Amino acid sequence: SQQGEEDPQALSIQEGENATMNCSYKTSINNLQWYRQNSGRGLVHLILIRSNEREKHSGRLRVTLDTSKKSSSLLITASRAADTASYFCATDRGSGAGSYQLTFGKGTKLSVIP
Amino acid sequence: NAGVTQTPKFQVLKTGQSMTLQCAQDMNHNSMYWYRQDPGMGLRLIYYSASEGTTDKGEVPNGYNVSRLNKREFSLRLESAAPSQTSVYFCASSEFGGWNSPLHFGNGTRLTVT
Repeated sequence: SQQGEEDPQALSIQEGENATMNCSYKTSINNLQWYRQNSGRGLVHLILIRSNEREKHSGRLRVTLDTSKKSSSLLITASRAADTASYFCATDRGSGAGSYQLTFGKGTKLSVIP
Repeated sequence: NAGVTQTPKFQVLKTGQSMTLQCAQDMNHNSMYWYRQDPGMGLRLIYYSASEGTTDKGEVPNGYNVSRLNKREFSLRLESAAPSQTSVYFCASSEFGGWNSPLHFGNGTRLTVT
């Protein structure tokens, strides 16, 4: 079953605008990660936020985590055409063997129009 | 630095045929994973290897077997391919358990079973 679910499924914006994607999950986690996938390629890790962190930045990326609401958001500022990709959140299943089982959502497909 | 290398990139099989997907990483990572990606389903974990010498089932292991040949290599075998196994297969590795360190992905094997 899906642990993380992204919203919206698709997003189309103009270059220079900000893009916000959301992720909701169901059970307690250790960390939450965001990945990007360009068409026809493997996933690339963007950022990892730990359960005791509320916000994290990396370049034009800003990730927030609200463990009380079991949700996270990924903000891409000043978007570029090269940001066109699918974005996935990934969560673990807690402790023990579940900690190895990262579960990915279905992704948000972002299109940035030049 | 090659990262995670998957072979082959494309494969077409007939129902009932067998094949092995190869994966190798050169980052000295401890953990390795096999995922499949289907339209509308996101990525689903097939098998993983937490460390050399161990393998465990993920979410969708039926119809597959794996071998952690050494620390670098983790192969996925389809003994009797079925059309339901048509998918894009991704191998990934991480330094530690998936929840604690980023996954590095290969570029995938696109498998069609007719």
